[in-house]
Amino acid sequence: DTGVSQDPRHKITKRGQNVTFRCDPISEHNRLYWYRQTLGQGPEFLTYFQNEAQLEKSRLLSDRFSAERPKGSFSTLEIQRTEQGDSAMYLCASSLGAASGIKDTQYFGPGTRLTVL
Amino acid sequence: QQPVQSPQAVILREGEDAVINCSSSKALYSVHWYRQKHGEAPVFLMILLKGGEQKGHEKISASFNEKKQQSSLYLTASQLSYSGTYFCGTETFSGGSNYKLTFGKGTLLTVNP
Repeated sequence: DTGVSQDPRHKITKRGQNVTFRCDPISEHNRLYWYRQTLGQGPEFLTYFQNEAQLEKSRLLSDRFSAERPKGSFSTLEIQRTEQGDSAMYLCASSLGAASGIKDTQYFGPGTRLTVL
Repeated sequence: QQPVQSPQAVILREGEDAVINCSSSKALYSVHWYRQKHGEAPVFLMILLKGGEQKGHEKISASFNEKKQQSSLYLTASQLSYSGTYFCGTETFSGGSNYKLTFGKGTLLTVNP
C-alpha cells in the first residue's frame, strides 16, 4: 500500500495561467476528496467523489475550479485563470467508503503547494 | 460551521500531559482527529462516533460528548514526536453528504526536551 500520492508537490505559476493537479488514491478506495489549506488554517473541503461521480461541491469552488475522476481511479483538479488568492496547499484524501461501514477514515496525500505570482 | 478548537497553542515538557478540545455548534455525527507536522500531510489518529465512546491510540486517547457536541483529545506522558498541529474534523447531520469533514483551525503542540 503506497498511500495517497499527489503530483506535482510544488507549482509556481503566474496569475492568469491554468494549472492542473493530479491525485492517485489508495487502491480500492471508492471515495476521493479535495481540500484546500492555507497557512494557520485547517483543511477546507472543496469537493468529493464516490467512484467517478462528483457528489458534492463546496461554495468555495468557483467556476474557475473543476475536478474530474474518470473511471473512478485518479482525479485531477484544474484551476483556470489563477489568482493570487488561489495560493494554498491543495490536499487530496481517499477513503474506502461504504465497505468500511460507519467508521470511514480519510487518508491524506502530501499535497500540492501552489504559489501564484 | 467550523468547529472551535482550544487552546490555539500549547507548549509542554517531555512527559507532561495535555488536553485539546473541539466544540461544535451543530449536532455531530462523528469526530476525526489528525496530527499534521510542518510541510507534511495530516495523519489520521482516531475517529469517534456518537455515543460518548472513548478511543485510544498509544498514549493518546479521546472522548466524544454527543450532548455537549464536543470532543477532547488527551495526550499523556508526551513525547517529542507528538509535536505538531492537531486538527479535529467533524461530520455533522445535514441535507448533503455526511462524508465531508469540517476542520477546526488547529492546536499547535510543541513538546520540548
